[in-house]
Amino acid sequence: QLLESGGSLVQPGGSVRLSCAASGFTFSSYAMTWVRQAPGKGLEWVSGITGSGGVTYYADSVKGRFTISRDNSKNTLYLQMNSLRADDTAVYYCGKGNVGYYMDVWGKGTTVIVSS
Amino acid sequence: EIVMTQSPATLSVSPGERATLSCRASQSVSSNLAWYQQNPGQAPRLLIYRASTTATGIPARFRGSGSGTEFTLTISSLQSEDFAVYYCQQYNSWPLTFGGGTKVEIK
Repeated sequence: QLLESGGSLVQPGGSVRLSCAASGFTFSSYAMTWVRQAPGKGLEWVSGITGSGGVTYYADSVKGRFTISRDNSKNTLYLQMNSLRADDTAVYYCGKGNVGYYMDVWGKGTTVIVSS
Repeated sequence: EIVMTQSPATLSVSPGERATLSCRASQSVSSNLAWYQQNPGQAPRLLIYRASTTATGIPARFRGSGSGTEFTLTISSLQSEDFAVYYCQQYNSWPLTFGGGTKVEIK
């Protein structure tokens, strides 16, 4: 029901855009989030967006560098990642946010590696 | 930022026994607490939300309890598929935060 794409190997300082295609639910009715997991580490919330797209939230670690957005006509969530650093290397998961922003559906993840 | 602390980091349990996992919040999160299970190489799976409500399709052996700053996930009679890493997450305030995880391993 959620399928991420766009992960790649990118040089430090570079950019990448992740996508998350949703199906099986009324996409515009739900908030969406991005969560990442660095190799061998725990889960870190990255960003969230309301169903309408009108309100966005960011972790301090990515604020000013990452931009979350959505296209409800395409049932797709995005994460534009700029000024990438080595510590952004992770598997990035998109999640469907239920009431209060717990994630009841998760994608399989897409991998971003930041390295020269 | 609310800091979530999980203990223990690793829990060794024999199949069929009970596992008790703890999660503590640095300030009250009311009942806005979720638990997730993650197996190696897989995405997390929602187990519990609102501190004690079991998610759809989750076996009854998973039980969540607590409120405020102290929470517990209890897994009664551990099955082979339950050996995994478990995370708690607060959604009471921004930024959302996860605990560091508890790995439940076979004793």
